[in-house]
Amino acid sequence: GQNIDQPTEMTATEGAIVQINCTYQTSGFNGLFWYQQHAGEAPTFLSYNVLDGLEEKGRFSSFLSRSKGYSYLLLKELQMKDSASYLCAVINRDSNYQLIWGAGTKLIIKP
Amino acid sequence: EPEVTQTPSHQVTQMGQEVILRCVPISNHLYFYWYRQILGQKVEFLVSFYNNEISEKSEIFDDQFSVERPDGSNFTLKIRSTKLEDSAMYFCASTQGKGQPQHFGDGTRLSIL
Repeated sequence: GQNIDQPTEMTATEGAIVQINCTYQTSGFNGLFWYQQHAGEAPTFLSYNVLDGLEEKGRFSSFLSRSKGYSYLLLKELQMKDSASYLCAVINRDSNYQLIWGAGTKLIIKP
Repeated sequence: EPEVTQTPSHQVTQMGQEVILRCVPISNHLYFYWYRQILGQKVEFLVSFYNNEISEKSEIFDDQFSVERPDGSNFTLKIRSTKLEDSAMYFCASTQGKGQPQHFGDGTRLSIL
């Protein structure tokens, strides 16, 4: 079957660093996406990993290990506006490149 | 930066009525998607569309639902005989190629009374 696991909720302090983990089991893995979703809004694309390693984009970095079925999103220098849900999604080429979504991690930033 | 646009932003409809949700994907994108997100729940895939036909659909996408690309720009989702449980945010997304990032519209909030 296909499964994506993320923590339900995390809390961090403004200015700090937080790591949000995602583990997956899926056939036909063809890449992993991270999206940010503020309450009541659409998901917005953050990062894409298809090969093992770290992808850095400003304050956000994403890591992938295909052999472990594991990814994380690292957020540095946290700002209050980073309070949102962070969604991990996996591309499955065996289902015509359908996106399989995790339930999301709600990140709460405290001053 | 080009974006996916959806209309209306909010639709309120009586149970049993039909609704049409509209989307204009990014102009050079070839793959189109509809997703649903019930309040407080995860994003759920409904259907993908390529080359004027459905390429994949989920168990949710039953005979109550249909999609259409009536012209070169619009991509619509029709929901017939709406039920209370159809109340959700409906997102349209598009991408240039398989496996590439999908770009989402702002969504339509559908409220069934």
